Amino acid sequence: GAVVSQHPSRVICKSGTSVKIECRSLDFQATTMFWYRQFPKQSLMLMATSNEGSKATYEQGVEKDKFLINHASLTLSTLTVTSAHPEDSSFYICSAEAPSGQYFGPGTRLTVT
Amino acid sequence: AQSVTQPDIHITVSEGASLELRCNYSYGATPYLFWYVQSPGQGLQLLLKYFSGDTLVQGIKGFEAEFKRSQSSFNLRKPSVHWSDAAEYFCAALILTGGGNKLTFGTGTQLKVEL
Repeated sequence: GAVVSQHPSRVICKSGTSVKIECRSLDFQATTMFWYRQFPKQSLMLMATSNEGSKATYEQGVEKDKFLINHASLTLSTLTVTSAHPEDSSFYICSAEAPSGQYFGPGTRLTVT
Repeated sequence: AQSVTQPDIHITVSEGASLELRCNYSYGATPYLFWYVQSPGQGLQLLLKYFSGDTLVQGIKGFEAEFKRSQSSFNLRKPSVHWSDAAEYFCAALILTGGGNKLTFGTGTQLKVEL
C-alpha cells in the first residue's frame, strides 16, 4: 500500500517551453501532497505544499508563477514548470500524505536545454 | 532555527561491518523523526520513524535507530552491512503546522560499501 507514482520519470525540454509533471497516489487518497526539488548530491528542498481544492502554499523563494501547482483531486497533483530555463534542470520529487506518514514518488528528472 | 544535521557527508564501510549514521536535530520540542534511503535516480523509501514511546525503533532491511533526547540525536544503525545498502541516507524531522506537516531533511550521508 501507499504507492505514489510520478510521470514522466525523465523529460527533456527546450528553454522557454513549459513542462508538466504528474504525481499520483495510487492506492490512497491524499488531501495534501508536497513537491520537492533536489539538486545533484544535495538534500531535498521543499518547494510547496499542495492541498486538494485550494491554492498551494509555496516556500520562501519559490516563484509561484513559475512553478504552477494544481491539486484537482485527492489522488493527483501536478507541477508545471513554465518558461523553463536551464537552471530549472533538477530532480523533482513529490510526496503524498497518508495517515501513516508521507510517501514519496520515484522522482522526475528534468533537463532544460 | 529548526534544523536537521547529518555530520557525515560520506561514509565507507566494508561489507559485513557494522554501520552507524549520525543525525542531530534542533527543535523546540521533540519532532517526529524519520530515516529515508535513496538509491541513484530514485525517490525516497522510508526505513523507519519515531513518533513516541520506545526510543529504539526497528525498521526495514535490518535497520534500527535510537532516539536520545539528551543528545538530540536519532542515529541509524545496522549490525552487518550488505553491498546493496550502498545509497544516500536522509534523516528528516516533521514539523506540524496549520498549513501542512512539513518534512525538513538533513543534507544526507552517502554510504559506500566495500566488498
